Amino acid sequence: RKEVEQDPGPFNVPEGATVAFNCTYSNSASQSFFWYRQDCRKEPKLLMSVYSSGNEDGRFTAQLNRASQYISLLIRDSKLSDSATYLCVVNMRGGGADGLTFGKGTHLIIQP
Amino acid sequence: DTGVSQDPRHKITKRGQNVTFRCDPISEHNRLYWYRQTLGQGPEFLTYFQNEAQLEKSRLLSDRFSAERPKGSFSTLEIQRTEQGDSAMYLCASSPPDSSTGSPLHFGNGTRLTVT
Repeated sequence: RKEVEQDPGPFNVPEGATVAFNCTYSNSASQSFFWYRQDCRKEPKLLMSVYSSGNEDGRFTAQLNRASQYISLLIRDSKLSDSATYLCVVNMRGGGADGLTFGKGTHLIIQP
Repeated sequence: DTGVSQDPRHKITKRGQNVTFRCDPISEHNRLYWYRQTLGQGPEFLTYFQNEAQLEKSRLLSDRFSAERPKGSFSTLEIQRTEQGDSAMYLCASSPPDSSTGSPLHFGNGTRLTVT
């Protein structure tokens, strides 16, 4: 099993729709989780951290399911500008900034 | 604060040549990371510094790769005897002293290496 696994997509979604994707991780001791966004030929940028109780930032909601070892990202009322690759990042060593492992990313295309 | 800065942005070199990249992290960040990213893949961890100490190196980092951070500020990544398989985007990231929840990474724009 890969350490951090994502569906590469692409997810083609009409503007205004809600879209969600998951990321599974293999190390049950992992404690830090993040979603990063990467635009084409640009560097990754932090979108949001993922907290145990789940968290929301505007149209974006992140959730953690420790029992099933996955995190999710939900985007409501999607905008054209949401088109990007979304990278799941897990701290495989459990706490701290060391050992951050990136998934391959999920490619999202918002269509007008 | 101008963020993480990397130089050069692009580098084209012939196979067998040596190349060196530079990264200037955010000034108050003591942690510095090098990643490599190829098309369709997520960033792959190469090495990590805390201040001037290189605390971890990936198995991906062959003997041809060396990284330094001599004064705990900027870092350099050198690739000797480049191969075509080294063609990739080399990303530098920094983060502040750790918190219990883990500190997110701030990436530079990257150096795109093409080995011909």
